[in-house]
Amino acid sequence: QKEVEQDPGPLSVPEGAIVSLNCTYSNSAFQYFMWYRQYSRKGPELLMYTYSSGNKEDGRFTAQVDKSSKYISLFIRDSQPSDSATYLCATSNDYKLSFGAGTTVTVRA
Amino acid sequence: GAVVSQHPSWVICKSGTSVKIECRSLDFQATTMFWYRQFPKQSLMLMATSNEGSKATYEQGVEKDKFLINHASLTLSTLTVTSAHPEDSSFYICSARWGRYYEQYFGPGTRLTVT
Repeated sequence: QKEVEQDPGPLSVPEGAIVSLNCTYSNSAFQYFMWYRQYSRKGPELLMYTYSSGNKEDGRFTAQVDKSSKYISLFIRDSQPSDSATYLCATSNDYKLSFGAGTTVTVRA
Repeated sequence: GAVVSQHPSWVICKSGTSVKIECRSLDFQATTMFWYRQFPKQSLMLMATSNEGSKATYEQGVEKDKFLINHASLTLSTLTVTSAHPEDSSFYICSARWGRYYEQYFGPGTRLTVT
């Protein structure tokens, strides 16, 4: 079993829709949760970083962590074509990150 | 802030030669740097972790004699692919973190093609 499971998609939504992404993880020791965005042929860019359970909002992006169910989510409101990318979740309880497979998102104009 | 650069962004080399990739943290001192490999449409695979002044720690299955890592300073790490073969062709990405913070900041990646 992988430490972090993420549906690779692909996911296609119309412009302006809410994009909902999620991951599950197996190690209850994980305490740090991150979402990265990766454009094609580029390095991942850190979008959101949360510690333990709860919500965190940054502009159009909201990250949620539910440690009781080992479930993490990312919501993108008012999606734009520029949001088209691969989104990777990552978790950690020390300095090493465990990544999900990444979900490829396309926002149609 | 938290900018990481990589050089070169793209390199082609002949089979049997060695290639060096540089990773620099531009606006912070990196406590730890990481090297990843990524195949098309796949997630990141951690190759090794390096701390400044220490030997790198390699993940299981990664040949340390083939992928030489040198973390010479708090802002520079290098990955040398020795005696490269076509199967080493891949996208190599470095990342860096500092202090007690767990999030990693990634470089733009280097695409290596071995002919």
